[in-house]
Amino acid sequence: GQQLNQSPQSMFIQEGEDVSMNCTSSSIFNTWLWYKQDPGEGPVLLIALYKAGELTSNGRLTAQFGITRKDSFLNISASIPSDVGIYFCAGRRAGNQFYFGTGTSLTVIP
Amino acid sequence: SQTIHQWPATLVQPVGSPLSLECTVEGTSNPNLYWYRQAAGRGLQLLFYSVGIGQISSEVPQNLSASRPQDRQFILSSKKLLLSDSGFYLCAQEHDRALKGYTFGSGTRLTVV
Repeated sequence: GQQLNQSPQSMFIQEGEDVSMNCTSSSIFNTWLWYKQDPGEGPVLLIALYKAGELTSNGRLTAQFGITRKDSFLNISASIPSDVGIYFCAGRRAGNQFYFGTGTSLTVIP
Repeated sequence: SQTIHQWPATLVQPVGSPLSLECTVEGTSNPNLYWYRQAAGRGLQLLFYSVGIGQISSEVPQNLSASRPQDRQFILSSKKLLLSDSGFYLCAQEHDRALKGYTFGSGTRLTVV
């Protein structure tokens, strides 16, 4: 299946710091999604992107659809302890299933 | 709105025992449904997906099987569990508006001992 690589694999940051993570694909996608998974729960959708170059925010979260359509980025500003979890990207070509990234585990140190 | 019910939440089973995990969904009719497995702290591995009753596609050859006996019911099964079947199993439903991705259930933590 399609492989999406997320970077970094894990992050340990101080509360209040900003966070950046990215997701790359070997194929072009026309939809990118970002999910967050709290420990012991299913992933929850954070942001959806539908157009190359699109920049979308959801509170302190901002995600971008890469110009090449092969990558996407997620930024979290002023992190707080409840930001802890695993962040997944997901990409899709028209008419196909979504492919998920390998995940970025975020730990916020108070 | 879409709601997914998964049960049980946790399960401890001995090696060689059978397995049945159930997922029921609410919302749109004839949804696309998915079973994923997640090893500890790892990514999501797609196991099966279904586009309709009785229609199952398998992504990875393994010790598991899936069935869709009703439109809103998706079942993950095994006749004989292996230690390597341990993991966190997630059921997902494709959103009413397909561009919005999937809605996930709360998952089942399976430990095979």
